[in-house]
Amino acid sequence: GQQLNQSPQSMFIQEGEDVSMNCTSSSIFNTWLWYKQDPGEGPVLLIALYKAGELTSNGRLTAQFGITRKDSFLNISASIPSDVGIYFCAGQRYGNKLVFGAGTILRVKS
Amino acid sequence: EAGVAQSPRYKIIEKRQSVAFWCNPISGHATLYWYQQILGQGPKLLIQFQNNGVVDDSQLPKDRFSAERLKGVDSTLKIQPAKLEDSAVYLCASSWGLGGLAGVMGTDTQYFGPGTRLTVL
Repeated sequence: GQQLNQSPQSMFIQEGEDVSMNCTSSSIFNTWLWYKQDPGEGPVLLIALYKAGELTSNGRLTAQFGITRKDSFLNISASIPSDVGIYFCAGQRYGNKLVFGAGTILRVKS
Repeated sequence: EAGVAQSPRYKIIEKRQSVAFWCNPISGHATLYWYQQILGQGPKLLIQFQNNGVVDDSQLPKDRFSAERLKGVDSTLKIQPAKLEDSAVYLCASSWGLGGLAGVMGTDTQYFGPGTRLTVL
């Protein structure tokens, strides 16, 4: 099936540092989404991107839809302890079917 | 607004046994999804319902998995018989199920429940 390559697999950073993660695909998507999943919970939508080249912010989070429509990245500025969790990218085509990456585990050292 | 409800939260069974999961979507949401999330992986769509009809079940192992949404509201997912590799978190999600341009644009946000963690021994 469709694969999304998400990197890095995990990160261990100092509180206050900026974080970057990205997602690439061999196929084009119409929408890119970034979710966060806390332990024992379902994924929660952070940012949705609908147009190639789009740059969208949500507080300390910034995400971009790559111009080739095959990639996206997420930046978190000035990380805090509650940023800990697993971040998933997801690509979406017509009909709402989501394809998820394997996730980036974020650990923050306070 | 109440979120997506799922039960049970945890289930441990032995292989070859049967198990069922229940999902109650957000009120008014027409579309309901069941995902399987294996440890260390992202969620994978098993089946998508629009009201009480199946839209996509291409990745549902139909020899052992079944799902229904008879009245177009809540849904059950069943595994019979379970295998060791079925150990995973089963997530339910729902969305308004917007048609037309919103569907094409992919702006129909999916809201996830907390999941049911299944362990098959």
